[in-house]
Amino acid sequence: GEDVEQSLFLSVREGDSSVINCTYTDSSSTYLYWYKQEPGAGLQLLTYIFSNMDMKQDQRLTVLLNKKDKHLSLRIADTQTGDSAIYFCAEVDRRGSTLGRLYFGRGTQLTVWP
Amino acid sequence: KAGVTQTPRYLIKTRGQQVTLSCSPISGHRSVSWYQQTPGQGLQFLFEYFSETQRNKGNFPGRFSGRQFSNSRSEMNVSTLELGDSALYLCASSPRDRGTHGYTFGSGTRLTVV
Repeated sequence: GEDVEQSLFLSVREGDSSVINCTYTDSSSTYLYWYKQEPGAGLQLLTYIFSNMDMKQDQRLTVLLNKKDKHLSLRIADTQTGDSAIYFCAEVDRRGSTLGRLYFGRGTQLTVWP
Repeated sequence: KAGVTQTPRYLIKTRGQQVTLSCSPISGHRSVSWYQQTPGQGLQFLFEYFSETQRNKGNFPGRFSGRQFSNSRSEMNVSTLELGDSALYLCASSPRDRGTHGYTFGSGTRLTVV
């Protein structure tokens, strides 16, 4: 549960789809989260997926989970300039004494060009 | 419904001083966690409290401490500040123990040590 990997940068044109990828290591994770951070702000929970699900859709957001490959992705449809931010993938530690701790990736800086 | 409130938003301290940061969770939330965010290390877990008890502690020196009050408000304290303690400190609250229902983050306290 300590090694969550994300690519650091993604640039897309306004109106296109964005796909942000993440790999995690803790096979016992039950919840996986996507957070958004805008400049000078805290973390905003965008969506989450439970590990017994393959996909979750929430308006413009689609989360895909490949549990076999420990791969999580966030797709943003019709990306807007207001979506420019840093996106963090996080998994919850489900082990014993460290239960509940969140492990975050380094974040993907999404830049949307008009 | 008010979100997670962190005070102060910005703080400048001198090396060797101590600092106390405050976090008021969402009403009804009993679990509070603290994270440190720096450009070099990313988001790192500090500690988690539930019903005034520390449930979880990250790998930080003993200069970092915290507590939770009976109204679920939490404070963290850093003594003998070092330049490397400059960071954004984020507090998160959850309705249940160990964040099993997701965490809502505050906007953070940006601490600068000079």
